[in-house]
Amino acid sequence: KAGVTQTPRYLIKTRGQQVTLSCSPISGHRSVSWYQQTPGQGLQFLFEYFSETQRNKGNFPGRFSGRQFSNSRSEMNVSTLELGDSALYLCASSLDGGSTAGELFFGEGSRLTVL
Amino acid sequence: QKEVEQNSGPLSVPEGAIASLNCTYSDRGSQSFFWYRQYSGKSPELIMFIYSNGDKEDGRFTAQLNKASQYVSLLIRDSQPSDSATYLCAVIKTGFQKLVFGTGTRLLVSP
Repeated sequence: KAGVTQTPRYLIKTRGQQVTLSCSPISGHRSVSWYQQTPGQGLQFLFEYFSETQRNKGNFPGRFSGRQFSNSRSEMNVSTLELGDSALYLCASSLDGGSTAGELFFGEGSRLTVL
Repeated sequence: QKEVEQNSGPLSVPEGAIASLNCTYSDRGSQSFFWYRQYSGKSPELIMFIYSNGDKEDGRFTAQLNKASQYVSLLIRDSQPSDSATYLCAVIKTGFQKLVFGTGTRLLVSP
């Protein structure tokens, strides 16, 4: 079956702009998590959605937001981009995020460069 | 103190040797422990998980958990050059359905 699909794969933005990233989970998976990966900080948890509800949130400013649709697809948005937002944004899905919360399947990521 | 700590490496081992990757965590409430492998330019993939104290073996991989010492390790037997990657340790704390990752240990297996 198809894996986790993220779009776009690469994008370049300038400071102050906003960006929306999309994630389609594995069919049947209802939990979607987002992570930011940078060389210095590693994988940092952004948020997790389950059944269209944000269930967990990491320590990121309010400029980072997300949502999940009824078909489990998810989007994340970053407004007022800063240089430090340059990173690889990874989406991961799991069956229900409960007992399988740690068994994540990652997409290939969206690499954001902010100039 | 970071929630999950790993030595960044690189850990260099010759082909055929045992690679030992270590991880410590700060929250005694952590219940579930995972090892992910990330090849350069690729996304992480789950290779093992362990929930109980002791050892868990899967092929050439053995995960070891010691909750009293808050220590998790991953042993890779008969290491192959294809095992060269960054290994990420991750934990889930009780009551928090989110996976917290360490920064990873880079493993280099030389032929």
